[in-house]
Amino acid sequence: GENVEQHPSTLSVQEGDSAVIKCTYSDSASNYFPWYKQELGKGPQLIIDIRSNVGEKKDQRIAVTLNKTAKHFSLHITETQPEDSAVYFCAASGGGDGGSQGNLIFGKGTKLSVKP
Amino acid sequence: EAQVTQNPRYLITVTGKKLTVTCSQNMNHEYMSWYRQDPGLGLRQIYYSMNVEVTDKGDVPEGYKVSRKEKRNFPLILESPSPNQTSLYFCASKYRGPNTEAFFGQGTRLTVV
Repeated sequence: GENVEQHPSTLSVQEGDSAVIKCTYSDSASNYFPWYKQELGKGPQLIIDIRSNVGEKKDQRIAVTLNKTAKHFSLHITETQPEDSAVYFCAASGGGDGGSQGNLIFGKGTKLSVKP
Repeated sequence: EAQVTQNPRYLITVTGKKLTVTCSQNMNHEYMSWYRQDPGLGLRQIYYSMNVEVTDKGDVPEGYKVSRKEKRNFPLILESPSPNQTSLYFCASKYRGPNTEAFFGQGTRLTVV
């Protein structure tokens, strides 16, 4: 089945700096790669996603890039702010056999701390 | 309001006492899934369901049971809880296609003593 690796596990940056989180996946059939943000005491929420027919997607200060050949994708946050502090999860889906293509497999998460 | 509702939010129980954590969604989603979150281990999938009466094991199914008799509900059953099942549990739901957003519940903090 699909396996998603995520690095780093923790990341500390100064306010205003950029943050980059990287993920790799194992199933070349996977075609959907979302990123979720989990704030303290809450469930994860989708912040951005990318499909396999796109190499890059931006939404204000966040962007995601995808390299299908290398099977890796990354989250980029520019001009970080203290409210960006949270745990971020990457995920992949679309692989596997027909009955499970919609299943969502997550990485282990990255705890981002933005210092004022 | 579209939401995934888990109950209870917090539970302390004793080893061996059967318990059920409920999960309900009001978005008519076919797919539902349970995850446990432990420090350093991220979100590990316990079971998932692609539709009513269809369930599959995730990465860590041992010690858990699920059922999917109705589209909106996906309860997680611990027949004989043990301390190593102390964890934060999340239920999620989405449409069954691969390119669809998952919505998470608020989590259930379970402590087994």
